Amino acid sequence: DGGITQSPKYLFRKEGQNVTLSCEQNLNHDAMYWYRQDPGQGLRLIYYSQIVNDFQKGDIAEGYSVSREKKESFPLTVTSAQKNPTAFYLCASSIPDRGLKFFGPGTRLTVL
Amino acid sequence: GQNIDQPTEMTATEGAIVQINCTYQTSGFNGLFWYQQHAGEAPTFLSYNVLDGLEEKGRFSSFLSRSKGYSYLLLKELQMKDSASYLCASTSGTYKYIFGTGTRLKVLA
Repeated sequence: DGGITQSPKYLFRKEGQNVTLSCEQNLNHDAMYWYRQDPGQGLRLIYYSQIVNDFQKGDIAEGYSVSREKKESFPLTVTSAQKNPTAFYLCASSIPDRGLKFFGPGTRLTVL
Repeated sequence: GQNIDQPTEMTATEGAIVQINCTYQTSGFNGLFWYQQHAGEAPTFLSYNVLDGLEEKGRFSSFLSRSKGYSYLLLKELQMKDSASYLCASTSGTYKYIFGTGTRLKVLA
């Protein structure tokens, strides 16, 4: 079955450490996205990629970095520059003009 | 500006009908999405409206009025498993999605 995988489901890191969240899809979608969700808030866009080797900043890109070297993979690095990294991180993918219908299971990051 | 409003919380009884409203202000509007999200899980897609009118899909229906910037999600024959948050999202262009904060629905026995 096609879908999106994110690993790990729960991640704990010490303050000041960089951490990379994995996102892999086998849906053959060109577009991939990273969202952040905090309690009581909607999803906020961190980065998105329309195609391999191309990505764009979203509304809250500061303190994050991404790469898109393969169509299937869109890893997100949370750097020490991100002031409040503890959150639920969601990866998604889509076929352009078909809408955002597929999300990964999410990674809950806690920075201690 | 870009804005989405939906109620924070609603309560309904098992077997009843509930309507969750969403108003939006989105430049370059390109459609309205509804998602269901259970606690601690990822959102799952429910419906997509791009034209005015009602789209029915089993127990769930979604309505859109573009002139009023208004949508609603209608859930019929409520079940306990429908207790979840319901997210409304509008689209602006191909890759830009604006999400509301979600409506937490509690279904009581």
